[in-house]
Amino acid sequence: KNEVEQSPQNLTAQEGEFITINCSYSVGISALHWLQQHPGGGIVSLFMLSSGKKKHGRLIATINIQEKHSSLHITASHPRDSAVYICAARSQGNLIFGKGTKLSVKP
Amino acid sequence: DTEVTQTPKHLVMGMTNKKSLKCEQHMGHRAMYWYKQKAKKPPELMFVYSYEKLSINESVPSRFSPECPNSSLLNLHLHALQPEDSALYLCASSQAGVPPQHFGDGTRLSIL
Repeated sequence: KNEVEQSPQNLTAQEGEFITINCSYSVGISALHWLQQHPGGGIVSLFMLSSGKKKHGRLIATINIQEKHSSLHITASHPRDSAVYICAARSQGNLIFGKGTKLSVKP
Repeated sequence: DTEVTQTPKHLVMGMTNKKSLKCEQHMGHRAMYWYKQKAKKPPELMFVYSYEKLSINESVPSRFSPECPNSSLLNLHLHALQPEDSALYLCASSQAGVPPQHFGDGTRLSIL
């Protein structure tokens, strides 16, 4: 079992839909990252959170430390949101990556 | 624009060639990282430099040779690579003692 699990693996949505990507982890963490990777390869850090909730534009990330679970929400999704979203846990000085969720938003 | 700059963006090389990948950051970060990412897989850590010294080598074959000439630059020298080394190579940086915070756009490497 991976230490960081994401679901779903693939997600297709229509433009405008509300999207949720989930991340569960089994290790002790100091923080959790949500990363976005576009087809070209570059990785952009969207959020780093250790408790509660953060919001940036149409993106919202939440974390429940007791349940070892985090979610990334995208409101009013748009085709330009199509990318791979990766959850990564900071644990003991390392970054443990989930396998990613490939999101396709259709116009 | 990413704050970690990688060059080149794409590289095609033969198995007998010698080439280098370059990574640069000017955020004052003292930890820099090389990751390898195969298609549809998460990044895998290769090397970590902390204060210009190699601190982690994740049992990477010697055909990959990292170098950190100063606190802003990180190179990855490539020699006698194999087709299975074709991948996206990502550089990242962070303040010393914490995991990576900023990633570059990567170099997509193809070995013929």
